[in-house]
This record gives sequence, structure tokens and C-alpha cells, in this order.
Amino acid sequence: EDKVVQSPLSLVVHEGDTVTLNCSYEVTNFRSLLWYKQEKKAPTFLFMLTSSGIEKKSGRLSSILDKKELFSILNITATQTGDSAVYLCAVGTGNQFYFGTGTSLTVIP
Amino acid sequence: DGGITQSPKYLFRKEGQNVTLSCEQNLNHDAMYWYRQDPGQGLRLIYYSQIVNDFQKGDIAEGYSVSREKKESFPLTVTSAQKNPTAFYLCASSALDRVYGYTFGSGTRLTVV
Repeated sequence: EDKVVQSPLSLVVHEGDTVTLNCSYEVTNFRSLLWYKQEKKAPTFLFMLTSSGIEKKSGRLSSILDKKELFSILNITATQTGDSAVYLCAVGTGNQFYFGTGTSLTVIP
Repeated sequence: DGGITQSPKYLFRKEGQNVTLSCEQNLNHDAMYWYRQDPGQGLRLIYYSQIVNDFQKGDIAEGYSVSREKKESFPLTVTSAQKNPTAFYLCASSALDRVYGYTFGSGTRLTVV
């Protein structure tokens, strides 16, 4: 059975902290891994990862994939209150994307 | 601007009623999807379609039905057979190869009253 597991389920940090969100997976026919940020409504795209060891970076956010160990991490440095959201990991196979339960991040001023 | 439009944003249903959620996209995407999101359970796939007049069941299709008469439209009907329909429903679309992932609509929150 294909599955995606995210940890932790929730996280509360202070502004300026650095956080690491984890996503592990077991799927057949892996194609890609995506990270999304969801604030109340539609998830918005952050990163797509297809190759191991190549870091994707956008401002204070970065992500990397390890296809041998079957996991990805999403790092957020110097967190801000606007980073508060649910972060979803999705793994794409031949037919669809499988989503994890998400990590709820709360950044306190 | 291209995108996906879901309507309505909020929907209230009485027990025993069927309701239809609308999803329209102008991205020229071939594939469209319906997901249900419950607290603590992430997104679960209800139905998906890769071509007009064809669709496949996802992991939780019982109590739901869909149609794909046009490439741009993929409405979801929540039937009275769905015992616990209160949830947040997200529609998404993608190119067939899904290289760039999904584009999501803004969602419909359905509440049974």
C-alpha cells in the first residue's frame, strides 16, 4: 500500500527559529515529491523534487530529497508569523499523488 | 488568468439530500481530481479523470459520483449514501504527465445540518 508519512504532526516555534519538517514515503513507481503550503484554503505549490541530493531553495525555504532512504525534508529558517500554515507533502506515482497528513506549523511572535 | 474555480465556497446540506459541487478549469489540463480533507487525515482521493467521459474511483469513492462531459468541468455529487459528508473538498487539475504537480481550487466546505 502506497503511503506518505509526515512528522511532526504539529509544531509551535518562536519567530526567528529554524524548523525542519519531515516526509517519508513508501510508493511504487515514484515520479516526484512535492511540498505545498496550505493556509485555510487551497494548497499553494512550494517545491517539486525528483532527484536525490539536489537542494531546492526559495528565500528562507529549502528542501531536499533522499531517494535511497525514501524521505524529504523541508527547512524554514528565520521563521515569521506568516509561515504559520499546514505544510503538505505529496508523492507522485504513475496515476496520482499521495498526500501525507500534513504538519501544522504555528509561529509565535 | 488561468486557474480552477470551485463553487460554492460554503454549502449546507440536509441529511438525505444530494448536492453537487462545481469545479471548472481553464488551464487546458487533461486530468482532474477530487480530494476530501478532514482534520488530521490529510487529503484523500475521491475520484479522478484523465480524459473526457472517463473517470476512476479513488480511495474513498463510496457515496460520491462524478461526470466529465467537458474537459473544463468535473462536478462532484455527494449523495445521501455518503454517511459522513461534512468535510473540506478540494478540486485539482494537472497535465497528464503531472510534471508540474497539481493546481488546486480554493475548496468547498460542506456541512450537513
